[in-house]
Amino acid sequence: ELKVEQNPLFLSMQEGKNYTIYCNYSTTSDRLYWYRQDPGKSLESLFVLLSNGAVKQEGRLMASLDTKARLSTLHITAAVHDLSATYFCAVGNSGYALNFGKGTSLLVTP
Amino acid sequence: EAQVTQNPRYLITVTGKKLTVTCSQNMNHEYMSWYRQDPGLGLRQIYYSMNVEVTDKGDVPEGYKVSRKEKRNFPLILESPSPNQTSLYFCASGHPTNEKLFFGSGTQLSVL
Repeated sequence: ELKVEQNPLFLSMQEGKNYTIYCNYSTTSDRLYWYRQDPGKSLESLFVLLSNGAVKQEGRLMASLDTKARLSTLHITAAVHDLSATYFCAVGNSGYALNFGKGTSLLVTP
Repeated sequence: EAQVTQNPRYLITVTGKKLTVTCSQNMNHEYMSWYRQDPGLGLRQIYYSMNVEVTDKGDVPEGYKVSRKEKRNFPLILESPSPNQTSLYFCASGHPTNEKLFFGSGTQLSVL
């Protein structure tokens, strides 16, 4: 069974600081996704990572994938309040199925 | 506008009363899926469909049914809802050549 673990589950950080969210998964996969969810809202796709060493950046967020270590990271640079949300990683399973982590609730404070 | 539409947005029902949550997408996606989201558990897949008339169980299919008679629609059916099916439900769709999944706005279901 494919298991996906995110760390930390809760994160409070000050504006301007940097931090990294980690996503570990238990079996081989060729697809890893990062999603953002605002309170009471649906999920918004942030990144899709398809190969070892893949790195994608959008604004203050950068995601990377190490398939050998079965690890993906979501790095936040110089956090701003607008980044406050819950972030999920999801790993591709058989077919098109996705296994989600439990999510990281991020709060950025002044 | 490309979107996944779920209805209803909120639903309160009683134990044992059959209900259907509808999901429709206008992007001609082959793949559609249902997830439930519970606090502390993240999203768990209920059922998915790779194409018309093709459906498969996800991780938590018990107590749910789906059908895929048309490419655009993928309804979720609860034949006899129970309180442990109180949850936030999301429908999603995608295309094999486009790795991105599009999610609906969610349906908050309460079973009393």
